[in-house]
Amino acid sequence: GNSVTQMEGPVTLSEEAFLTINCTYTATGYPSLFWYVQYPGEGLQLLLKATKADDKGSNKGFEATYRKETTSFHLEKGSVQVSDSAVYFCALRDNFNKFYFGSGTKLNVKP
Amino acid sequence: DTAVSQTPKYLVTQMGNDKSIKCEQNLGHDTMYWYKQDSKKFLKIMFSYNNKELIINETVPNRFSPKSPDKAHLNLHINSLELGDSAVYFCASRAGASETQYFGPGTRLLVL
Repeated sequence: GNSVTQMEGPVTLSEEAFLTINCTYTATGYPSLFWYVQYPGEGLQLLLKATKADDKGSNKGFEATYRKETTSFHLEKGSVQVSDSAVYFCALRDNFNKFYFGSGTKLNVKP
Repeated sequence: DTAVSQTPKYLVTQMGNDKSIKCEQNLGHDTMYWYKQDSKKFLKIMFSYNNKELIINETVPNRFSPKSPDKAHLNLHINSLELGDSAVYFCASRAGASETQYFGPGTRLLVL
């Protein structure tokens, strides 16, 4: 079946450090891929998405590239801020409009 | 203007009680979802409705029953609450042709 696997957290970084959160997926067909962010006490918000192979999604300095050959969609940011502290979820949507979420990776950014 | 709203935001109740959580979206979306997020932050889909019709029903106890009175609302009723039902429940909606889901703020349910 379809699934999403994320690296386990928490990830703790100093401000201005480089961020990578790994995400790999298993899916039949041609899924769309997403990163959602959940700030403390809030619901999930879409951060970025990519709908086909080699697409790069980007938003607020974050980016992720849809890699079909490695079934990956790793999230990166060149310089994190304290305000980026949140839980990040990788997700896919299959051809039947069903969404699968990873288990979330908590990011802590220290000043 | 809240796009997807849920009530209540917090719900503390005793085991065995019956409770409902309401969800409303003012985005004109066709599809609505309920998700359960456990204490480890793992998010799992429970139900999905499209135009008031159930299209996804994951392996969820019969004690959970979604009800969609109209396209803008998807309520979740839970009978005979158990300790393991304690979680954060998120409602979400999506437009028919869009791939983007919009999430509500969540309802934090604590069963004592």
